[in-house]
Amino acid sequence: RKEVEQDPGPFNVPEGATVAFNCTYSNSASQSFFWYRQDCRKEPKLLMSVYSSGNEDGRFTAQLNRASQYISLLIRDSKLSDSATYLCVVNTGGSYIPTFGRGTSLIVHP
Amino acid sequence: DADVTQTPRNRITKTGKRIMLECSQTKGHDRMYWYRQDPGLGLQLIYYSFDVKDINKGEISDGYSVSRQAQAKFSLSLESAIPNQTALYFCATSDPQQETQYFGPGTRLLVL
Repeated sequence: RKEVEQDPGPFNVPEGATVAFNCTYSNSASQSFFWYRQDCRKEPKLLMSVYSSGNEDGRFTAQLNRASQYISLLIRDSKLSDSATYLCVVNTGGSYIPTFGRGTSLIVHP
Repeated sequence: DADVTQTPRNRITKTGKRIMLECSQTKGHDRMYWYRQDPGLGLQLIYYSFDVKDINKGEISDGYSVSRQAQAKFSLSLESAIPNQTALYFCATSDPQQETQYFGPGTRLLVL
């Protein structure tokens, strides 16, 4: 079982839709969680960190569920420019060696 | 100017050739990483370095070597390239306080 798992998608949604992605992790000692965005053939870039209490940045909301060992990303009012692959990243126990999920592809269409 | 740069951006080589991919950063981070990414797969860690005297193997280090010439420079070498090393290679640095990673633009490598 891969340490960090994501549904690869693609999620195909119309503009203005709300879409949510989940990411599960297997190591209960995991301490830090992030969502990165990767555009086609480009480098990954940090979208947002995920805090225990949940956090919001504009149209994006991230949640952490330690009991069930998953994190989620909610995108409201989807824009065409949100089309990308979203990578879930988990750091375990202060090692600073992140584990990346394979990514979830989002396609927002007019 | 970009904080993390990689050279070359694209490279075509033949099986058996030795090649080097270079990475430089101006972020002042001690921690640097090399990843490869294959279509449909996530980022796989090749090597990482937490300071100039520290080199560690990642999950897929076979066939690769690295050199940390300075805090700002971390090079990846393929001693004898093979076709299944065709991939997109990323260098990254990390901020130990925030644990976030900053990636270079990537090097596309094709091994014929």
